[in-house]
Amino acid sequence: NAGVTQTPKFRVLKTGQSMTLLCAQDMNHEYMYWYRQDPGMGLRLIHYSVGEGTTAKGEVPDGYNVSRLKKQNFLLGLESAAPSQTSVYFCASSRPANTEAFFGQGTRLTVV
Amino acid sequence: GDSVTQMEGPVTLSEEAFLTINCTYTATGYPSLFWYVQYPGEGLQLLLKATKADDKGSNKGFEATYRKETTSFHLEKGSVQVSDSAVYFCALSYTGTASKLTFGTGTRLQVTL
Repeated sequence: NAGVTQTPKFRVLKTGQSMTLLCAQDMNHEYMYWYRQDPGMGLRLIHYSVGEGTTAKGEVPDGYNVSRLKKQNFLLGLESAAPSQTSVYFCASSRPANTEAFFGQGTRLTVV
Repeated sequence: GDSVTQMEGPVTLSEEAFLTINCTYTATGYPSLFWYVQYPGEGLQLLLKATKADDKGSNKGFEATYRKETTSFHLEKGSVQVSDSAVYFCALSYTGTASKLTFGTGTRLQVTL
């Protein structure tokens, strides 16, 4: 059982380039999330989705877009990468009703 | 808004020592509280949780009690092992709000022989 899988695991971008991070879950979870992890700041919520076709902003949404065209996939896009977006990105999924969130292994993104 | 405050690390302990990692929270409602653990190179995984006041969560020898009067959820373990070396995150979320987690900054634990 794969759980939550993130692609890619590492990426280096130049300022202004674009990219998409893919998150896939095989647990039939309704909810999916994108977080970023920065030193000394814990994890902060970027965007989330409560179901296929729905998305909502989290705490730090600026500079990112998301899409949830299929229930099992949640995509995070950076249209014009900036050095401030250098971070480790985690995707997570969960069922409703405040149950355990399952996390992917993370994507380490460096913007130069 | 809601927030979670954890003791700063790193915490360095010898194997078999007693562990406490402090966590306090500020919340507008009545959240559920969680401890997540992140082993090197991995994503976060749930360690334990408590959903209401006075509940005790426990797993793998770790325990934490939801204290509403002190707004705390301190993590404890009686005897740590080298394999417990990891980063520990305290977090809260509410039922009915898409289970969005608010995290503390994390505490790195290093256990030595």
